[in-house]
Amino acid sequence: QLQLQESGPGLVKPSETLSLTCTVSGDSISTTTYYWGWIRQPPGKGLEWIGNIYYSGTPYYNPSLESRVTISVDTSKNQFSLKLTSVTAADTAVYYCARGVRAWGQGTLVTVSS
Amino acid sequence: DIQMTQSPSSLSASVGDRVTITCRASQGISNYLAWFQQKPGKGPNLLIYLASTLQSGVPSRFSGSGSGTDFTLTISSLQPEDVATYYCQKYNSAPWTFGQGTKVDIK
Repeated sequence: QLQLQESGPGLVKPSETLSLTCTVSGDSISTTTYYWGWIRQPPGKGLEWIGNIYYSGTPYYNPSLESRVTISVDTSKNQFSLKLTSVTAADTAVYYCARGVRAWGQGTLVTVSS
Repeated sequence: DIQMTQSPSSLSASVGDRVTITCRASQGISNYLAWFQQKPGKGPNLLIYLASTLQSGVPSRFSGSGSGTDFTLTISSLQPEDVATYYCQKYNSAPWTFGQGTKVDIK
């Protein structure tokens, strides 16, 4: 069955780059026509869509984050990744990866602090 | 960009009550709308997709309706385990914006 698992550092220093990877099992990123995306939730706040990437490789980003975000796919590893540059404390959140709207990972907390 | 507005932002109802949450899009999104439930300390759980299709395993007391700009999530008989925050999300085109959430608790 489909599973998505986020991985990456739980602590990132201010001004550095946050990097997360989502490993997909039970489906192939390169052969199915889905959007593979990232969502985040700051502590005590609502959900924020970060962006997604179509299986063909075309990315789409939240306009509020677009200047700092890159989402890419590694079909050889059946993974997709998120990079967020120049992070601040406001980027502290639980980060989720997802396939479309119907399947989500469990989420990973990333704290931005020195 | 299309904005998603949920109402109310919070509500309190009795067990067995019928509860309705509204999500309004600032422009038409056809039926590309999902509803999520998030219980305290947990990740979001999909309830409804394509505005009215119940996700497998979700109790039948949950239902969704609407198309275009106006959508509703209905809980036909509120249960104690339904205490949660509910979010709508549009996904017709990027950005896949979420509503601000509706917190539901028991009176």
